[in-house]
Amino acid sequence: NAGVTQTPKFQVLKTGQSMTLQCAQDMNHEYMSWYRQDPGMGLRLIHYSVGAGITDQGEVPNGYNVSRSTTEDFPLRLLSAAPSQTSVYFCASSYRTGAYYGYTFGSGTRLTVV
Amino acid sequence: DAKTTQPNSMESNEEEPVHLPCNHSTISGTDYIHWYRQLPSQGPEYVIHGLTSNVNNRMASLAIAEDRKSSTLILHRATLRDAAVYYCILKRDAGGTSYGKLTFGQGTILTVHP
Repeated sequence: NAGVTQTPKFQVLKTGQSMTLQCAQDMNHEYMSWYRQDPGMGLRLIHYSVGAGITDQGEVPNGYNVSRSTTEDFPLRLLSAAPSQTSVYFCASSYRTGAYYGYTFGSGTRLTVV
Repeated sequence: DAKTTQPNSMESNEEEPVHLPCNHSTISGTDYIHWYRQLPSQGPEYVIHGLTSNVNNRMASLAIAEDRKSSTLILHRATLRDAAVYYCILKRDAGGTSYGKLTFGQGTILTVHP
């Protein structure tokens, strides 16, 4: 089924470890983004991309890296995991960036850093 | 982005209509009104969006006040599967320069009783 696929669904990391959260979409969407959701904080934008080879920071980018080598994939890298990065991470994509277009979200990755 | 105000929670009975209100008194002329919902343990799901005119799709209807300072999401016959957090979001159409951020507030928790 067409949509946004996130892997893994669950992950436990030790402080200082690194890992990559995977996000793939098969809808030929130009725009992709990563959000984190924490209790009482709503969803906050981490990084986004408006096309292959183009990425930029959102409102909470520290501790995370992204790259976009293909239209389909937008991985999120945690460089050195910290307990403050315990959260649920969602990847979202859209056909274009304009306000007219809706977003498709993945089902999320629940990350715990101990 | 302009701010939206929604009730913290609402309740409904199954198979009855549900009207979810949203106030956005500082909306600008280029702001689109988007609605998303988030079912438990899932990613947000696009529901509907509009600019000035009322909109209908297979999931819901969106009624927009004439002055655009408020809107109402209408679920015509609530089911147990509609129990979710509903988010009303304003998204500004800034052409190609918009970085596409969705600003999620706390939303309205909808409870549907059998």
